[in-house]
Amino acid sequence: NAGVTQTPKFRILKIGQSMTLQCTQDMNHNYMYWYRQDPGMGLKLIYYSVGAGITDKGEVPNGYNVSRSTTEDFPLRLELAAPSQTSVYFCASRSPPGVGNTIYFGEGSWLTVV
Amino acid sequence: AQTVTQSQPEMSVQEAETVTLSCTYDTSESDYYLFWYKQPPSRQMILVIRQEAYKQQNATENRFSVNFQKAAKSFSLKISDSQLGDAAMYFCAYRSARTGGTSYGKLTFGQGTILTVHP
Repeated sequence: NAGVTQTPKFRILKIGQSMTLQCTQDMNHNYMYWYRQDPGMGLKLIYYSVGAGITDKGEVPNGYNVSRSTTEDFPLRLELAAPSQTSVYFCASRSPPGVGNTIYFGEGSWLTVV
Repeated sequence: AQTVTQSQPEMSVQEAETVTLSCTYDTSESDYYLFWYKQPPSRQMILVIRQEAYKQQNATENRFSVNFQKAAKSFSLKISDSQLGDAAMYFCAYRSARTGGTSYGKLTFGQGTILTVHP
Protein backbone atom coordinates (compact mmCIF):
# COMPACT_ATOMS: atom_id res chain seq x y z
CA ASN A 1 0.00 0.00 0.00
CA ALA A 2 2.24 2.79 -1.34
CA GLY A 3 -0.26 5.68 -1.11
CA VAL A 4 1.28 8.96 -2.27
CA THR A 5 4.94 8.77 -3.23
CA GLN A 6 7.17 11.79 -3.79
CA THR A 7 10.67 11.94 -5.19
CA PRO A 8 13.26 13.19 -4.51
CA LYS A 9 13.10 13.50 -0.75
CA PHE A 10 15.95 16.01 -0.61
CA ARG A 11 17.45 18.26 -3.25
CA ILE A 12 19.79 21.24 -3.40
CA LEU A 13 19.42 23.46 -6.44
CA LYS A 14 21.46 26.41 -7.64
CA ILE A 15 19.72 29.66 -8.49
CA GLY A 16 18.41 29.53 -12.04
CA GLN A 17 18.34 25.75 -12.30
CA SER A 18 15.17 23.84 -13.07
CA MET A 19 13.86 20.59 -11.71
CA THR A 20 10.78 18.43 -11.45
CA LEU A 21 9.34 17.01 -8.25
CA GLN A 22 7.62 13.74 -8.98
CA CYS A 23 4.39 12.62 -7.34
CA THR A 24 2.49 9.43 -7.94
CA GLN A 25 -0.46 7.81 -6.20
CA ASP A 26 -1.81 4.31 -6.57
CA MET A 27 -5.28 4.91 -5.13
CA ASN A 28 -6.95 6.03 -8.38
CA HIS A 29 -7.78 9.43 -6.90
CA ASN A 30 -8.90 12.14 -9.28
CA TYR A 31 -8.04 15.07 -7.02
CA MET A 32 -4.36 15.81 -6.43
CA TYR A 33 -2.59 18.80 -4.88
CA TRP A 34 0.80 20.39 -4.43
CA TYR A 35 1.49 22.39 -1.28
CA ARG A 36 4.56 24.16 -0.03
CA GLN A 37 5.48 24.72 3.59
CA ASP A 38 7.88 27.50 4.49
CA PRO A 39 9.73 27.34 7.83
CA GLY A 40 7.40 27.79 10.80
CA MET A 41 4.35 28.16 8.60
CA GLY A 42 1.33 26.19 7.49
CA LEU A 43 0.98 24.66 4.05
CA LYS A 44 -0.07 26.75 1.08
CA LEU A 45 -1.61 25.40 -2.11
CA ILE A 46 0.49 25.78 -5.27
CA TYR A 47 -1.56 23.88 -7.86
CA TYR A 48 -4.27 21.29 -7.91
CA SER A 49 -5.82 18.90 -10.40
CA VAL A 50 -9.32 17.46 -10.56
CA GLY A 51 -8.41 14.73 -13.02
CA ALA A 52 -6.16 13.78 -15.91
CA GLY A 53 -5.70 16.72 -18.25
CA ILE A 54 -7.16 19.29 -15.84
CA THR A 55 -5.08 21.53 -13.58
CA ASP A 56 -5.59 24.88 -11.91
CA LYS A 57 -3.68 27.41 -9.83
CA GLY A 58 -3.79 27.60 -6.09
CA GLU A 59 -2.66 30.41 -3.80
CA VAL A 60 1.04 30.56 -4.71
CA PRO A 61 1.54 29.30 -8.30
CA ASN A 62 4.20 31.74 -9.49
CA GLY A 63 7.44 30.03 -10.51
CA TYR A 64 5.84 26.61 -10.87
CA ASN A 65 4.14 24.52 -13.51
CA VAL A 66 2.26 21.24 -13.37
CA SER A 67 0.89 18.64 -15.72
CA ARG A 68 -1.49 15.72 -15.29
CA SER A 69 -1.24 13.32 -18.19
CA THR A 70 -2.39 10.33 -16.13
CA THR A 71 -4.53 9.81 -13.04
CA GLU A 72 -1.52 8.48 -11.13
CA ASP A 73 1.08 11.18 -11.76
CA PHE A 74 1.16 14.87 -10.92
CA PRO A 75 4.66 16.32 -11.36
CA LEU A 76 5.58 19.82 -10.20
CA ARG A 77 8.13 21.73 -12.26
CA LEU A 78 10.26 24.56 -10.91
CA GLU A 79 11.62 26.82 -13.62
CA LEU A 80 14.54 29.15 -12.85
CA ALA A 81 14.80 28.28 -9.17
CA ALA A 82 15.00 31.17 -6.71
CA PRO A 83 15.97 31.23 -3.01
CA SER A 84 12.32 32.06 -2.19
CA GLN A 85 11.42 28.56 -3.39
CA THR A 86 13.40 26.96 -0.59
CA SER A 87 10.67 25.02 1.15
CA VAL A 88 9.23 21.62 1.89
CA TYR A 89 6.86 20.46 -0.83
CA PHE A 90 3.96 18.12 -0.20
CA CYS A 91 1.93 16.25 -2.75
CA ALA A 92 -1.51 15.02 -1.72
CA SER A 93 -4.49 13.21 -3.15
CA ARG A 94 -8.08 12.96 -2.00
CA SER A 95 -10.45 10.02 -1.94
CA PRO A 96 -13.97 10.63 -3.29
CA PRO A 97 -16.85 11.58 -0.97
CA GLY A 98 -18.27 8.08 -1.07
CA VAL A 99 -14.95 6.50 -0.12
CA GLY A 100 -13.89 8.44 2.96
CA ASN A 101 -13.34 11.90 1.45
CA THR A 102 -9.87 11.86 3.02
CA ILE A 103 -6.71 13.68 1.99
CA TYR A 104 -3.53 11.62 1.86
CA PHE A 105 -0.16 13.35 2.00
CA GLY A 106 3.19 12.25 0.65
CA GLU A 107 6.20 12.40 2.94
CA GLY A 108 7.44 15.70 1.59
CA SER A 109 10.34 16.86 -0.55
CA TRP A 110 12.89 19.19 1.05
CA LEU A 111 14.21 21.66 -1.50
CA THR A 112 17.00 24.17 -0.88
CA VAL A 113 17.92 26.79 -3.48
CA VAL A 114 21.39 28.29 -3.03
CA ALA B 1 -11.85 33.44 1.20
CA GLN B 2 -11.50 31.30 4.27
CA THR B 3 -8.86 31.95 6.90
CA VAL B 4 -7.62 29.86 9.80
CA THR B 5 -5.87 31.38 12.82
CA GLN B 6 -3.89 29.65 15.51
CA SER B 7 -3.01 32.26 18.12
CA GLN B 8 -0.63 30.10 20.17
CA PRO B 9 2.76 29.76 18.45
CA GLU B 10 3.98 27.48 21.24
CA MET B 11 2.45 25.46 24.05
CA SER B 12 3.91 23.13 26.63
CA VAL B 13 2.47 20.44 28.86
CA GLN B 14 3.70 17.98 31.45
CA GLU B 15 3.51 14.33 30.58
CA ALA B 16 0.13 12.82 31.63
CA GLU B 17 -1.48 16.27 31.85
CA THR B 18 -4.08 17.81 29.54
CA VAL B 19 -3.48 20.61 27.04
CA THR B 20 -5.80 22.53 24.74
CA LEU B 21 -4.73 24.05 21.43
CA SER B 22 -6.83 26.88 20.03
CA CYS B 23 -8.03 27.52 16.50
CA THR B 24 -10.46 30.02 15.03
CA TYR B 25 -11.55 30.30 11.45
CA ASP B 26 -13.52 32.60 9.22
CA THR B 27 -15.90 31.46 6.50
CA SER B 28 -19.21 32.40 4.97
CA GLU B 29 -20.01 28.77 4.19
CA SER B 30 -22.30 26.63 6.31
CA ASP B 31 -21.00 23.21 5.30
CA TYR B 32 -17.33 22.41 5.74
CA TYR B 33 -14.81 20.18 7.45
CA LEU B 34 -12.25 21.01 10.11
CA PHE B 35 -9.11 19.05 10.84
CA TRP B 36 -6.20 18.86 13.21
CA TYR B 37 -2.96 17.57 11.72
CA LYS B 38 0.15 16.59 13.64
CA GLN B 39 3.56 17.20 12.08
CA PRO B 40 6.55 15.66 13.88
CA PRO B 41 10.13 16.66 13.01
CA SER B 42 10.04 14.21 10.09
CA ARG B 43 7.55 16.68 8.51
CA GLN B 44 5.06 13.89 7.81
CA MET B 45 1.47 15.19 7.94
CA ILE B 46 -0.61 12.96 10.22
CA LEU B 47 -4.36 13.42 10.51
CA VAL B 48 -5.32 13.56 14.18
CA ILE B 49 -9.02 14.29 14.10
CA ARG B 50 -11.74 15.53 11.78
CA GLN B 51 -15.03 17.33 12.38
CA GLU B 52 -17.92 17.79 9.97
CA ALA B 53 -19.61 21.15 10.47
CA TYR B 54 -23.10 19.71 10.17
CA LYS B 55 -22.48 17.44 13.16
CA GLN B 56 -23.17 19.00 16.54
CA GLN B 57 -21.37 16.26 18.42
CA ASN B 58 -17.71 16.91 19.05
CA ALA B 59 -15.34 14.41 17.45
CA THR B 60 -13.12 12.24 19.64
CA GLU B 61 -10.24 9.90 18.82
CA ASN B 62 -8.86 8.16 21.87
CA ARG B 63 -6.97 10.84 23.87
CA PHE B 64 -7.80 13.56 21.35
CA SER B 65 -11.06 15.48 21.36
CA VAL B 66 -12.30 18.75 19.95
CA ASN B 67 -14.53 21.55 21.16
CA PHE B 68 -16.35 22.73 18.05
CA GLN B 69 -18.26 25.97 18.48
CA LYS B 70 -19.80 26.70 15.08
CA ALA B 71 -21.39 30.04 15.94
CA ALA B 72 -18.13 31.28 17.44
CA LYS B 73 -16.10 29.70 14.59
CA SER B 74 -13.84 28.05 17.10
CA PHE B 75 -12.27 24.60 16.92
CA SER B 76 -9.95 23.68 19.76
CA LEU B 77 -8.06 20.42 20.25
CA LYS B 78 -7.76 18.81 23.67
CA ILE B 79 -5.05 16.25 24.27
CA SER B 80 -5.58 14.23 27.43
CA ASP B 81 -2.94 12.17 29.23
CA SER B 82 -0.21 13.79 27.13
CA GLN B 83 2.63 11.55 26.02
CA LEU B 84 6.16 12.36 24.91
CA GLY B 85 5.22 11.19 21.42
CA ASP B 86 2.61 13.94 21.19
CA ALA B 87 5.35 16.55 20.87
CA ALA B 88 5.05 18.04 17.39
CA MET B 89 3.73 20.97 15.39
CA TYR B 90 -0.07 20.91 15.24
CA PHE B 91 -2.02 22.48 12.40
CA CYS B 92 -5.66 23.35 12.26
CA ALA B 93 -7.13 23.19 8.75
CA TYR B 94 -10.38 24.02 6.98
CA ARG B 95 -11.90 22.46 3.91
CA SER B 96 -15.06 23.43 2.09
CA ALA B 97 -17.69 20.76 1.62
CA ARG B 98 -18.80 22.24 -1.71
CA THR B 99 -19.00 19.59 -4.42
CA GLY B 100 -17.53 21.74 -7.16
CA GLY B 101 -15.74 24.96 -7.90
CA THR B 102 -12.17 26.00 -7.43
CA SER B 103 -11.96 25.33 -3.70
CA TYR B 104 -13.09 21.73 -3.79
CA GLY B 105 -10.81 19.65 -1.62
CA LYS B 106 -8.36 22.44 -0.91
CA LEU B 107 -7.14 22.66 2.68
CA THR B 108 -6.54 26.05 4.28
CA PHE B 109 -4.06 25.81 7.14
CA GLY B 110 -3.38 27.84 10.23
CA GLN B 111 0.14 28.90 11.16
CA GLY B 112 0.68 26.00 13.51
CA THR B 113 1.32 25.49 17.24
CA ILE B 114 4.49 23.83 18.47
CA LEU B 115 3.66 21.50 21.35
CA THR B 116 6.39 20.52 23.80
CA VAL B 117 5.79 17.69 26.25
CA HIS B 118 7.92 17.70 29.41
CA PRO B 119 8.68 14.41 31.17
